[in-house]
Amino acid sequence: QKEVEQDPGPLSVPEGAIVSLNCTYSNSAFQYFMWYRQYSRKGPELLMYTYSSGNKEDGRFTAQVDKSSKYISLFIRDSQPSDSATYLCAMSDGGGSNYKLTFGKGTLLTVNP
Amino acid sequence: GAGVSQTPSNKVTEKGKYVELRCDPISGHTALYWYRQSLGQGPEFLIYFQGTGAADDSGLPNDRFFAVRPEGSVSTLKIQRTERGDSAVYLCASSLTSGNYGYTFGSGTRLTVV
Repeated sequence: QKEVEQDPGPLSVPEGAIVSLNCTYSNSAFQYFMWYRQYSRKGPELLMYTYSSGNKEDGRFTAQVDKSSKYISLFIRDSQPSDSATYLCAMSDGGGSNYKLTFGKGTLLTVNP
Repeated sequence: GAGVSQTPSNKVTEKGKYVELRCDPISGHTALYWYRQSLGQGPEFLIYFQGTGAADDSGLPNDRFFAVRPEGSVSTLKIQRTERGDSAVYLCASSLTSGNYGYTFGSGTRLTVV
């Protein structure tokens, strides 16, 4: 079993839909949780960053972390064709190696106009 | 520069050959990371530099892989005796200080070993 599991999709939705992406993990040492967006042939770019459990909202994006269930989610409201990309969850521990990110496989999202 | 620059963007090499992949981080970023992204997978950590020294090389898969950052800026990932299984996108990232926040990734070098 990998440390981080993420459904690779693909996921196809109509413009304006609410999108839900999620990851589960097994390492209880993970304290920092991130969502990255990766366009084709580009490097990942950070979308959301959270520490420990809770919710964080930034515009159309909401990140949720439930450490008791080892489950994290990203919600995208009013999805746009420009949101079409691969979404990667990433995590790191809270100790001295917190620079080391462990990624999920990524979920390929297509938003159709 | 404005972002993390990686060259070449694509590299095709024959099995058994030696390759060098270059990363030019954002100016002033002391931390530099290499990751490898195989097809359909998320990036996997290879090595972390703080300044000139490799602070953590635990992700390098074997001794055919080596990386340097001699002046604390540009880094080179070196792969000897390439194998077909080395085919992947090699991503470089930098950040102002060590940690998990503020990573900026480059667009990667797509390595194909034939």
